[in-house]
Amino acid sequence: DQQVKQNSPSLSVQEGRISILNCDYTNSMFDYFLWYKKYPAEGPTFLISISSIKDKNEDGRFTVFLNKSAKHLSLHIVPSQPGDSAVYFCAATETDSWGKLQFGAGTQVVVTP
Amino acid sequence: EAGVTQFPSHSVIEKGQTVTLRCDPISGHDNLYWYRRVMGKEIKFLLHFVKESKQDESGMPNNRFLAERTGGTYSTLKVQPAELEDSGVYFCASSLGGTDTQYFGPGTRLTVL
Repeated sequence: DQQVKQNSPSLSVQEGRISILNCDYTNSMFDYFLWYKKYPAEGPTFLISISSIKDKNEDGRFTVFLNKSAKHLSLHIVPSQPGDSAVYFCAATETDSWGKLQFGAGTQVVVTP
Repeated sequence: EAGVTQFPSHSVIEKGQTVTLRCDPISGHDNLYWYRRVMGKEIKFLLHFVKESKQDESGMPNNRFLAERTGGTYSTLKVQPAELEDSGVYFCASSLGGTDTQYFGPGTRLTVL
């Protein structure tokens, strides 16, 4: 069963605007969450992460928000740039099986001029 | 420093044949992971090596899949005999420690006809 879900397969946003990507999870044991970015013909690249003891983590243009009660996290990219066009994967793991990342299906982001 | 490398980049085989995928992790990384993405769906965990030992192989689909990491350096993933549903992109990742960032290779696209 899929424990991490990204319900939006695609997102189109104008350059300079905010991109908001959403992710939901079902396993309450998850305590660490990550976002990976993937370009065609390349492997996923780590972008940003957040521990369950926090509700926000920011790194430059990227901010991840975690709502544990709703089992929901989101990635905000602001401002969006053409180079941000990629597939974004949400992933989660738990302390007892650290290293076993469970991924969502990804969201394809297209940033238009 | 070289990243994670995978060979081959593509493989097309007939159902019932055998295929061996290879992964060379980043030098010095004790942790090595195999994942698979099928038909644009989520990236699924297959297994995790710590040096030459299998730490977690809970994601291996069945006994047609055999992963090895002799000597604790490169790893191979053999599929024998291959079935149609084994088609997908197989990613390898490595990390220094079990809680460190996982760096992914570009993947091997396997097509079983």
